[in-house]
Amino acid sequence: QSVLTQPPSASGTPGQRVTISCSGSSSNIGSNSVNWYQQFPGAAPIFLIYRFDQRPSGVPDRFSGSKSGTSASLAISGLQSEDEAIYYCAAWDDSLNRWVFGGGTELTVL
Amino acid sequence: QVQLVASGGGVVQPGRSLRLSCAASGFIFSSRPMHWVRQAPGKGLEWVAVIFMDANNKQYADSVKGRFTISRDDSKNTLWLQMNSLRPEDTAVYYCVSAAHPWGQGTLVAVSS
Repeated sequence: QSVLTQPPSASGTPGQRVTISCSGSSSNIGSNSVNWYQQFPGAAPIFLIYRFDQRPSGVPDRFSGSKSGTSASLAISGLQSEDEAIYYCAAWDDSLNRWVFGGGTELTVL
Repeated sequence: QVQLVASGGGVVQPGRSLRLSCAASGFIFSSRPMHWVRQAPGKGLEWVAVIFMDANNKQYADSVKGRFTISRDDSKNTLWLQMNSLRPEDTAVYYCVSAAHPWGQGTLVAVSS
């Protein structure tokens, strides 16, 4: 059972906007920044979003992040077939004294 | 650009030891906490350990506490993970990670008799 809760799956059609949620608590998302990672099969996770809504250089602006209370969200607009991947959220947890991850959301482009 | 190159993985029998290394470049290594994160085949990401800028400040996942030791040498921009008493459930790709930077490719550890 992951400390951060993500839906196991999400889907959308090309061009659509999709949102993936990440639910935590006051000791993690509520008080620390959230990173998002994208992972394709057999590859290392890709650094997608940091500090809730910042994009590393090279990440398309179709990807955006946000936070509300103890939850964070990743939004992908203008969905493309190459966005099919697993998406993970991560945050430091002050109570557990460890970095915690969501269980991952598998995104399917229909 | 930022590079995190993990090495030292391989096939090892249960109960044996292995030492992973990570060579960092492209950022100020000494100013960042550094983590090891692993991913078992077909599973999600699991945090393993962190070492802060004060190298005496370390934290471990319960699953590896007492068996694994994380360390760093800022003069060499290098991170290590000493893994003792390895178990089959430690089989995974191990990544060295800075939370503020892209990940490297990881190194595969397979624990099997």
